[in-house]
Amino acid sequence: KAGVTQTPRYLIKTRGQQVTLSCSPISGHRSVSWYQQTPGQGLQFLFEYFSETQRNKGNFPGRFSGRQFSNSRSEMNVSTLELGDSALYLCASSLAGTPTSTDTQYFGPGTRLTVL
Amino acid sequence: AQSVAQPEDQVNVAEGNPLTVKCTYSVSGNPYLFWYVQYPNRGLQFLLKYITGDNLVKGSYGFEAEFNKSQTSFHLKKPSALVSDSALYFCAVRVTNQAGTALIFGKGTTLSVSS
Repeated sequence: KAGVTQTPRYLIKTRGQQVTLSCSPISGHRSVSWYQQTPGQGLQFLFEYFSETQRNKGNFPGRFSGRQFSNSRSEMNVSTLELGDSALYLCASSLAGTPTSTDTQYFGPGTRLTVL
Repeated sequence: AQSVAQPEDQVNVAEGNPLTVKCTYSVSGNPYLFWYVQYPNRGLQFLLKYITGDNLVKGSYGFEAEFNKSQTSFHLKKPSALVSDSALYFCAVRVTNQAGTALIFGKGTTLSVSS
């Protein structure tokens, strides 16, 4: 099975711009979660999508948003970029039919976003 | 608040020696614990998880982890380290509510294996 794929792998933007990142989950996986990784804050949960609905959300400002399509592919969007948004954005997928599922989350390679 | 702590920023071991990467957790309810490894410019690779049952969990690449409920720990171990094991290791706990799930990660421990 193909793993989680993320596009693009690298992205450079300037402050004030917006950006859209894409994630394709493992075939058959219906849950997609997004995480932000920075040297200072480590790995932080952004949000989780399941069946095209945001099921859980971390503590990030409203500039961070996402969506999931009927084929389980997901996108996240960051508007009005700030320097502090520079990070590795990781997408993870799992079967996760219910919130209490013990399914494993499998991660993609990430998108490295640099904001200048 | 639910949290994960990795008390060591870096662990140095010689090739062929056993290695331990420490993790402690604080959660309400039963803990679902995970270990992931990250190589430079790569995403996280799943190593193993503890859900319930045997306290010694075996995972990928010869790694295992020991769950200790009384000490709230989930240390990662390997009997004989390889240079190729050098990477960044993350311990995580899965938290759930009625809405959904999320992984809470420790800060990570850099493992350096010297030849």
